[in-house]
Amino acid sequence: EVQLVESGGGLVKPGGSLRLSCAASGFIFSNSGMNWVRQAPGKGLEWVSSISSGSSYISYADSVKGRFTISRDNTKNSLWLQMNSLRAEDTAVYYCARGSGSYGNYYFDCWGQGTLVTVSS
Amino acid sequence: EIVLTQSPGTLSLSPGERATLSCRASQSVSSTYLAWYQQKPGQAPSLLIYGASSRATGIPDRFSGSGSGTDFTLTISRLEPEDFAVYYCQHYGSSPLTFGGGTKVEIK
Repeated sequence: EVQLVESGGGLVKPGGSLRLSCAASGFIFSNSGMNWVRQAPGKGLEWVSSISSGSSYISYADSVKGRFTISRDNTKNSLWLQMNSLRAEDTAVYYCARGSGSYGNYYFDCWGQGTLVTVSS
Repeated sequence: EIVLTQSPGTLSLSPGERATLSCRASQSVSSTYLAWYQQKPGQAPSLLIYGASSRATGIPDRFSGSGSGTDFTLTISRLEPEDFAVYYCQHYGSSPLTFGGGTKVEIK
């Protein structure tokens, strides 16, 4: 069974940092592009970042560029999102999602349950 | 950036009725790169349709997607109780990947 499990969310002050993790199982992680998608409370979905299977392609939404860093370790079946200089508007549930499709052109065929990040003083 | 506009915002229907959801793009989208998702309260989204019209694994055939260019449609032929949820379209043909604002299908 394909499974994605996020962790690392919590309450952080504006300007602070947080590192989200996503543990993957049930599929060949090293063959899949991976992504982070977020959803602010009561709002719609927003793509945050993508990374290709071998980490050669990385892309970010303008809203997080320069503050967030996506990375992965295929030997550990793990994906991360390092979030720095956090703002109140970064408050959201962050989902890890497997990408299908061609290089960088991902739709999301499997999602984790999400981890809540709250940025507040 | 391609902006996706979904309409209506809310659709009030009864079980057994047909639901027609619209997703309009601000510029032409290759139909290869349009997906639809379903999200129920308190749950993660799940993939319904990719490539504008291909059903994801395990998705019943009452769900169908169609369209091309700037206008895409998700149709649910006969609503089942479990279909009342929020639906999002997504384009994935270029960065940034974008989602529509969602359509809520609620019980009338």
